[in-house]
Parts: sequence; structure tokens; C-alpha cells
Amino acid sequence: DTAVSQTPKYLVTQMGNDKSIKCEQNLGHDTMYWYKQDSKKFLKIMFSYNNKELIINETVPNRFSPKSPDKAHLNLHINSLELGDSAVYFCASSYLRGASTDTQYFGPGTRLTVL
Amino acid sequence: EDQVTQSPEALRLQEGESSSLNCSYTVSGLRGLFWYRQDPGKGPEFLFTLYSAGEEKEKERLKATLTKKESFLHITAPKPEDSATYLCAVHILTGGGNKLTFGTGTQLKVEL
Repeated sequence: DTAVSQTPKYLVTQMGNDKSIKCEQNLGHDTMYWYKQDSKKFLKIMFSYNNKELIINETVPNRFSPKSPDKAHLNLHINSLELGDSAVYFCASSYLRGASTDTQYFGPGTRLTVL
Repeated sequence: EDQVTQSPEALRLQEGESSSLNCSYTVSGLRGLFWYRQDPGKGPEFLFTLYSAGEEKEKERLKATLTKKESFLHITAPKPEDSATYLCAVHILTGGGNKLTFGTGTQLKVEL
């Protein structure tokens, strides 16, 4: 059983296009995240949603718009793609119980290449 | 500013040659420190969470320890299948969110 899944696995597109990445989790978690991993393997948080509500937005360009239709899904839409958007995007999920530290479980990643 | 630094960047070991990976951190209000393993082309896989100085956790050939300034991931008698990138991350409570700040990782290669 796949806990956190993402589609597509690979995405190759031209500069200026709009694309979406989908994420689904079947762990029953209430919080989902998007992370970006650059070419140097540095993993940085972009967004976090708790029960469909945005709770973390880390100075990400407005071209990136997350959408959470329900607590099991978090999609990432990117407008007007730029060369610098090329990276691997990871979705993750966890419970969020106040200030507790709950483990985040990651999806397999989506490798985005902008030409 | 919160900072997480891992060393070395890369480590090559012979099978059976024990070693340690380091994760040093400068954060205000550490809620927890995580270790993940990442294989090429895959997402990070959870290994351990440590909450307070002096805490230790073990899993097979791996043992994680935590002090007030750093964490170590000790690898005892490693095997080639332990080859991966090991990431540490600190949990910081920010505006009600559960934010992980990652280090840049240690790429471990274990050879026969």
C-alpha cells in the first residue's frame, strides 16, 4: 500500500507553461506539505496545509499555488514556469497535534524539468 | 537564524568499517530532531526522532544520539545496502505549523 503518492513521477515542459502536480495520502493524516529539493539535494519546505487550511507559506513566488480539496489531497499548481523551477518536488504528510513533533512521511517525488 | 549543518558531505567506507555522521544545529526552541535516509530517485524515508539531550535510538546497524548542539548517526559494521544520503532535520514550531528544516545531507557509500 502506497502511503503518500504523487503524480506524475517526471514532468518535462517548456518555459512559460502551466503545470500541476498531485499528491494523495492514505495515512489519515491531517497535515500535508510541499518541499522542493534542488540540484544540491537541499530540501526546503514550501507550503503546509492542515485540514485544508494553509498554515505555512515560505516566501514562495505567487506563481506557485497549492490547493487542498480535502485533507487527503494536496495539489501544487505552477504558472509561467521558469528555468529555476527545475527541481524535485516532494509531498509529505503528518499529524499536527498542537506543538507535538509528529513524523512527516514523504512521497516518491516529482522531477520537474523546465526547458 | 535557524541553521542545520551536516558533515561530512560525502563518506566512503569499506564494508564493516564503522563511522559516524554529524548533524549540528543552531535553532531556538528545538522540538525534535529527525534522521531520514534517501535513496537515489526516492523520497526521504524516516529513521529516528530524538527529543532531548542524552536520548539514543537504535535500528539495526544505526544508532542516533543527541546533545544540546548536535546529533550523531553511528553506523556499525556497515553493509553496501546502507549506501544512501542521510538527512537530518530539526522541528521548529512556527505559527502553529510543523516545520522541518533540513541539513544538506551526508552521502554515504559503502564498498565491498
